[in-house]
Amino acid sequence: AQRVTQPEKLLSVFKGAPVELKCNYSYSGSPELFWYVQYSRQRLQLLLRHISRESIKGFTADLNKGETSFHLKKPFAQEEDSAMYYCALSVGGANNLFFGTGTRLTVIP
Amino acid sequence: DAGITQSPRYKITETGRQVTLMCHQTWSHSYMFWYRQDLGHGLRLIYYSAAADITDKGEVPDGYVVSRSKTENFPLTLESATRSQTSVYFCASSPDRAEAFFGQGTRLTVV
Repeated sequence: AQRVTQPEKLLSVFKGAPVELKCNYSYSGSPELFWYVQYSRQRLQLLLRHISRESIKGFTADLNKGETSFHLKKPFAQEEDSAMYYCALSVGGANNLFFGTGTRLTVIP
Repeated sequence: DAGITQSPRYKITETGRQVTLMCHQTWSHSYMFWYRQDLGHGLRLIYYSAAADITDKGEVPDGYVVSRSKTENFPLTLESATRSQTSVYFCASSPDRAEAFFGQGTRLTVV
């Protein structure tokens, strides 16, 4: 069965420090993976998707099929990065979009 | 306003009552979804719809009913609310069956 695991519920880093939010998935086929972000008092929104291979707000994520991981990284955290981050796996469209339990990132000034 | 809107934003209801959460989108996206967000569970899909008059169950459909008579609306009804249905509910729509655009959520408390 498909599963998305985000092992850290809470993550705190200092401003300017590197940040990595972990995401592991289980799926036997070819997955499509996403990171969604929810800032305080804002709606959940797409941050990036692996097929676009782009950097958004300084964040990148590389799909590692060998390790079945899709970790989100940023070299220098900013205070405005504080938010709830969800990793999501699609196995055939948005009607099959599975979310992890989320990681709350706090960037300490 | 363009986008996807949910109403009400907050709702308190009593156990056993019927309550309907509304969702409206202006993009004419084919796909619409209802998720519930709970601590320790992330977001879980309740129901989804691929088009008007087409709906299907998600991961946690029990106790919920949906309808989609018009493309732009996708109401979620709790027929007889239970305390376990206390949650934050998110509606979403999608044009391409992959990226989902979310509403601002409805915080429902069942007492």
